[in-house]
Amino acid sequence: KAGVTQTPRYLIKTRGQQVTLSCSPISGHRSVSWYQQTPGQGLQFLFEYFSETQRNKGNFPGRFSGRQFSNSRSEMNVSTLELGDSALYLCASSSGGVLGNTIYFGEGSWLTVV
Amino acid sequence: EDQVTQSPEALRLQEGESSSLNCSYTVSGLRGLFWYRQDPGKGPEFLFTLYSAGEEKEKERLKATLTKKESFLHITAPKPEDSATYLCAVQGGAQKLVFGQGTRLTINP
Repeated sequence: KAGVTQTPRYLIKTRGQQVTLSCSPISGHRSVSWYQQTPGQGLQFLFEYFSETQRNKGNFPGRFSGRQFSNSRSEMNVSTLELGDSALYLCASSSGGVLGNTIYFGEGSWLTVV
Repeated sequence: EDQVTQSPEALRLQEGESSSLNCSYTVSGLRGLFWYRQDPGKGPEFLFTLYSAGEEKEKERLKATLTKKESFLHITAPKPEDSATYLCAVQGGAQKLVFGQGTRLTINP
């Protein structure tokens, strides 16, 4: 069974540009969440999608957005990049149930903003 | 607001020296407490989910326990390959995880 797949694994962008990251969840999983990991702040929740609808959102500016497609694949977009957006962006998938659902993470996309 | 505090921040052990990592939490309506292992440059690897106080789970040299305020990850007779950062997270009323800062564990041969 394939795990959570994230692309690209590494990318470098310039301040002011935008970036799109992609995530393919585990087959059968309908919930996809995104997290940002930095050395100073640790892992922080960005947003969660279930059946193409955003169910939860973290405390990030509107420059961070996402969407989920009918096949449960998800993308997140960051516009007008800032140096502080440099981080490991992690995607996680689960069945999305209220209880008893294990949350699995992908290997992440390393974003460097210069 | 849900909060998770892990201690110690870093722990260095000799191979075979057993110890415990602590995770203290406050959450409104615990749906699950999660333990992950993270190696440098990789995503978190799922270890355990605990749902109610008194629950225990084991996997190889690891054993996780849960009370109403904290969780412990006990590591018995660790090996160098157990070196990693161990992350604790809670899931409350929303479908999101709140993570602690992690414990960086180093096992010396």
